[in-house]
Amino acid sequence: QQQVKQSPQSLIVQKGGISIINCAYENTAFDYFPWYQQFPGKGPALLIAIRPDVSEKKEGRFTISFNKSAKQFSLHIMDSQPGDSATYFCAVAFGNEKLTFGTGTRLTIIP
Amino acid sequence: DADVTQTPRNRITKTGKRIMLECSQTKGHDRMYWYRQDPGLGLRLIYYSFDVKDINKGEISDGYSVSRQAQAKFSLSLESAIPNQTALYFCATSDFSGPKHNEQFFGPGTRLTVL
Repeated sequence: QQQVKQSPQSLIVQKGGISIINCAYENTAFDYFPWYQQFPGKGPALLIAIRPDVSEKKEGRFTISFNKSAKQFSLHIMDSQPGDSATYFCAVAFGNEKLTFGTGTRLTIIP
Repeated sequence: DADVTQTPRNRITKTGKRIMLECSQTKGHDRMYWYRQDPGLGLRLIYYSFDVKDINKGEISDGYSVSRQAQAKFSLSLESAIPNQTALYFCATSDFSGPKHNEQFFGPGTRLTVL
């Protein structure tokens, strides 16, 4: 059973627009929700993460919104730039255990 | 980031051959992981190791084996490669404790093609 479902699979956004990627999970025991960013030819790298004691976390143009009751969390990229074009993965974890990743979203920012 | 290195970076091999992918890290982390990445399927965990004496199967371990030779080294082997093992393979590490214990640091990947 897939523990985390990510959508959309691909996304095209105009420069300056807002990019939104969503993830849904099943297990309410998860307590760590990160987003990873991967550029072509590189390994993924942590972008931003949230724990369930807050509903939102913002770092620069990147924001995670977390809805505990709906078991969903999303990544918002404000004022999207061509340099944000990458693949984004959400993930979930419980305690000190391993991460389980979503299927990824390929984001393309067009001029 | 040279802290997690993978060799080789690219490999083309034939069906039935034995292949070893190697991972080394200088981050001093106890935990190491092997993933494969396929388009539309994301990152799937093959094996992971929480310390030198601990090896665990991930969600897709069939056809693969691993060896944790030291804290800094974790190798992935394909005993008899098959075409559907063609993929991008990543090694990752994480710390056991501390405020960033969940964060995983990835290597640059190995692109494996099995003909």
